[in-house]
Amino acid sequence: DAMVIQNPRYQVTQFGKPVTLSCSQTLNHNVMYWYQQKSSQAPKLLFHYYDKDFNNEADTPDNFQSRRPNTSFCFLDIRSPGLGDAAMYLCATSRDWFSYEQYFGPGTRLTVT
Amino acid sequence: SQQGEEDPQALSIQEGENATMNCSYKTSINNLQWYRQNSGRGLVHLILIRSNEREKHSGRLRVTLDTSKKSSSLLITASRAADTASYFCATDGEGSSNTGKLIFGQGTTLQVKP
Repeated sequence: DAMVIQNPRYQVTQFGKPVTLSCSQTLNHNVMYWYQQKSSQAPKLLFHYYDKDFNNEADTPDNFQSRRPNTSFCFLDIRSPGLGDAAMYLCATSRDWFSYEQYFGPGTRLTVT
Repeated sequence: SQQGEEDPQALSIQEGENATMNCSYKTSINNLQWYRQNSGRGLVHLILIRSNEREKHSGRLRVTLDTSKKSSSLLITASRAADTASYFCATDGEGSSNTGKLIFGQGTTLQVKP
């Protein structure tokens, strides 16, 4: 089945230790998104790619970076995680940019100790 | 700025009853979507309704959209315990400068008791 896969499902990192979360898709969608979701809150868009074009949300901290080496894969790098970065990180895809539903992966739960 | 506000924040009903959730938004939209999220999981797309549509059905789901009131409702009929989840509305931002990105509401947490 075509799907969005996130690895790992659970990630524990130490304060200040860089961490990378990965996302892959078999849907061949043009757009990939990274969201941050804290407990009992709405998902918050961090950035997205349309193909290789990177779009950063204005309020996404510089501590967060992303890479999309090809259509199928996208990575979220947190350069120096703080306690406030503990959250669920959701990857999503959509066929195109405008008025299309998004397909979400299961998420990676990040804990910062 | 947050686009969607949902009401109620939490809803608890018995199996077999209907559940209604409401979403209000602030600016013009091209479409509105509803998503479900089971605890600790990703979101699942339920239904998309375009700004020129007033009502849409999918199985036990009925969504209405009133653009004059900038509001939408999601009705789940004959609820089941498996419907227990959080439900989010999402809008695509301001119509004239639509960038396609979704802005999610805070969600309604639905508990369906067996």
